[in-house]
Amino acid sequence: EPEVTQTPSHQVTQMGQEVILRCVPISNHLYFYWYRQILGQKVEFLVSFYNNEISEKSEIFDDQFSVERPDGSNFTLKIRSTKLEDSAMYFCASSELGNTIYFGEGSWLTVV
Amino acid sequence: AQSVTQPDIHITVSEGASLELRCNYSYGATPYLFWYVQSPGQGLQLLLKYFSGDTLVQGIKGFEAEFKRSQSSFNLRKPSVHWSDAAEYFCAVGEDDYKLSFGAGTTVTVRA
Repeated sequence: EPEVTQTPSHQVTQMGQEVILRCVPISNHLYFYWYRQILGQKVEFLVSFYNNEISEKSEIFDDQFSVERPDGSNFTLKIRSTKLEDSAMYFCASSELGNTIYFGEGSWLTVV
Repeated sequence: AQSVTQPDIHITVSEGASLELRCNYSYGATPYLFWYVQSPGQGLQLLLKYFSGDTLVQGIKGFEAEFKRSQSSFNLRKPSVHWSDAAEYFCAVGEDDYKLSFGAGTTVTVRA
């Protein structure tokens, strides 16, 4: 069964450093997403991406965050200058038009 | 804006017993409803979904859920739980573009 794959599975970074989380969505999917889950809290929507542009973003997705689809397969989330409160599990997800969202296994980011 | 409430933070159930997890949603239009499961250290796996039609939906791993519009509920059930069902369960509601809003989750512990 096709799946969303994410790398790295776990990253530790120092506060202020830039981080790039990578994702390979399911190949025929058109919508791409990032969600995050701070330990012990709800899974929260960050951003959705369609047709090479952001279609919607949440209040969390401020200027420190950016997304990119640099080629036909990868979808990345960049955090420009990490803060302690960015420590979370980041989930990439994808969906076909008008269909279910499938999630990857997550990238656990620890900012120290 | 839509919201999801999972009233039970933690449920303990004996192996072989039945399980019901509650989910209530608030959404103005016809909702798209989902149940996801997250095992420790794992990603979000889709159990089942409701878009329209039959209000009793069957999912993977022997789970089912019933959509009740009059009660704004989408409760998840399993007739006989297995030890491997111990996990955290998330109810989610989707908007037209399938941005999901998640509930806080219910942790299920299975005792022998």
